[in-house]
Amino acid sequence: EPEVTQTPSHQVTQMGQEVILRCVPISNHLYFYWYRQILGQKVEFLVSFYNNEISEKSEIFDDQFSVERPDGSNFTLKIRSTKLEDSAMYFCASEGQGLNDEQYFGPGTRLTVT
Amino acid sequence: AQSVTQLDSQVPVFEEAPVELRCNYSSSVSVYLFWYVQYPNQGLQLLLKYLSGSTLVKGINGFEAEFNKSQTSFHLRKPSVHISDTAEYFCAVSDLNDYKLSFGAGTTVTVRA
Repeated sequence: EPEVTQTPSHQVTQMGQEVILRCVPISNHLYFYWYRQILGQKVEFLVSFYNNEISEKSEIFDDQFSVERPDGSNFTLKIRSTKLEDSAMYFCASEGQGLNDEQYFGPGTRLTVT
Repeated sequence: AQSVTQLDSQVPVFEEAPVELRCNYSSSVSVYLFWYVQYPNQGLQLLLKYLSGSTLVKGINGFEAEFNKSQTSFHLRKPSVHISDTAEYFCAVSDLNDYKLSFGAGTTVTVRA
C-alpha cells in the first residue's frame, strides 16, 4: 500500500538554525499539507499546497516558514531561524483529487530546538 | 471556522469492554468528519470518515461512529476493545470547500487486561 514518508524521524537543532523537513507524498496525489503537534497539544494545521503554490496557511505559518516541491516528488518544510517554541512533531499529509479522498499522514518528524 | 471538542482526555477501559469516545464540533457550514488513531510512535491513521449519506459510519478495526447533526456530535464506539486498541484518538473536521483538518485535543485510550 502506498504511504507518505518523512525524513528525518528526529531532528535536533540549535535555536536560530535553519531546518528542512522532508516528505515524499503518495505519487499520484495533488494536495499536500503540513501539520504540527506540540507535545501535549492538539494537531494544528500549518499550510496546504496545490498546483505548486500555497492554497492556505495558518497564523502559525509566518515568514520563518516556507514550503517547496522542488522536484515533483519531495515536499519540504523549511524553518528559517528556529525558535524553542518550534519544537514539535511535524506531520506531512497528501491527498488525491477524488471527491471521497482523504488525507494520508506520514509518521512525522520530531523537531527538538535547543 | 470550525472547532472540535473531545470531551474526554483519558479513557481507561478493560479488554473486551465497550468504549465510546465523544466528539462535538461547531461550524457555520456543512462539514466532513473524521476519526484518526495514533499508535505510540506512529503517525495518524484514518479510522473512518463521514462525508454524506448514512449517519452511521463503519471503519477499520471494528470501530463505528454516528453523525448527529442536531447535536453536532460524531461519537466513536467499539463494542469490544483489545489491548492493541491502546492509542490516542483524534476527531477532526473539515468544511466542504476547505480541505484543511481541524483536530480535537485527542483522547488517550488505555486498554487493560
